[in-house]
Parts: sequence; structure tokens; C-alpha cells
Amino acid sequence: DVKVTQSSRYLVKRTGEKVFLECVQDMDHENMFWYRQDPGLGLRLIYFSYDVKMKEKGDIPEGYSVSREKKERFSLILESASTNQTSMYLCASRPPGQVEGYTFGSGTRLTVV
Amino acid sequence: GQNIDQPTEMTATEGAIVQINCTYQTSGFNGLFWYQQHAGEAPTFLSYNVLDGLEEKGRFSSFLSRSKGYSYLLLKELQMKDSASYLCAVLDSNYQLIWGAGTKLIIKP
Repeated sequence: DVKVTQSSRYLVKRTGEKVFLECVQDMDHENMFWYRQDPGLGLRLIYFSYDVKMKEKGDIPEGYSVSREKKERFSLILESASTNQTSMYLCASRPPGQVEGYTFGSGTRLTVV
Repeated sequence: GQNIDQPTEMTATEGAIVQINCTYQTSGFNGLFWYQQHAGEAPTFLSYNVLDGLEEKGRFSSFLSRSKGYSYLLLKELQMKDSASYLCAVLDSNYQLIWGAGTKLIIKP
């Protein structure tokens, strides 16, 4: 089974801190995604990457950046955390061309105080 | 704009049948997904429809009508473990997933 691992289940950070959320997948997938999930809003795409060192903005990239130095790792960075970034963050990966093949991590619940 | 609508919450009885509806308006259409998400866990894939009609997978079936912008997920012989949120998502013209807010399904004994 493809496994997508997010390093932290719960995080509490202070306003203004730089925050790193890590995601690692073990099936050599080219495509990786970061979403945030908020009640009543569904998942929203923050950034995605189709290859190493490649990144594309999703629907809500403001306040975030990403890093993809290795194929298996896709990091989401909150440059200066704010309270409106309190949310559940979900990482996903899938093989290219296989639209059914999304696999999600268990999520990181981030609270910014 | 792009929009996916599904009911916020539904309640059903163990052993019964429930239908969760999803309507969508998106820029382009390359298929519709249903995912199941238990509280605190990752979404898991249930179904993918790209052609009109009904697809059955055990106790779960998914229906699509592209002309009506409409899908439903049908769950039969409900079990307590089916208590979860059910997420509808459409793959748009850019092959990105557009998500509904999810339907929380509560199963009562």
C-alpha cells in the first residue's frame, strides 16, 4: 500500500513563527499536493508539485510556500504563522496520469495562538 | 465560479439505505470522486465516475448524470462503521480536484 506520512498529527505554534509541515510518500509518485480542510469549506488546494524542484500555486497560496528537494518529500512552509492559518492540513500524492490514485496522509492539525 | 453542493449532515438507521446527493458546477469535467473520511483520519477513495450511470461496489454505489451536474452515493445495509464524512470532488478542466464541504453521516442503532 502507498503510504503518505505527515510528520506531526498536532502542532501548536505562536503567531509570527515560521512553521514547517513535512510530508513523505514511499511509492515514488511524481505528483504531490497540499490541501487545507476547514469546517464547511471542504478541501482547498494550497500548492502542488509534479516533479522535484517544481511547484505550482493552487487556489490559496498566500502566506505559504513549499519545497520539493527530493521526490519523496514535499514540505509546506508558513513563513509567518497567523491565527487564520489554524486548520487541518492534508498532504496527498498520486502517480502521473492515474486520476484515481490519490492517497492522503492522516493530516496535521495546526493551531496558531 | 466553481461550486459543489452536498448536504451538511444526514442521519440514518443501522441496516437501512441512505443516498447522499452532490450537485456541481465546474469549469470542465474529468470525473467525479467520492471519498470517505472518518474523524481525524485521511480521506479514502470510494469511487470514480466519468461516464453517466450507476457503478456498484459491494454495499456502495455511485451514480452520475453529467447533463444534470448531479451525482449520488448510495450506501446499503448500513453499519455503525459507516459513520463518517463523505466528500464529493470533481476533477476540473485543469485536472485539479474541486471539493464539496462533505456530508457527515450519523448512523443510529
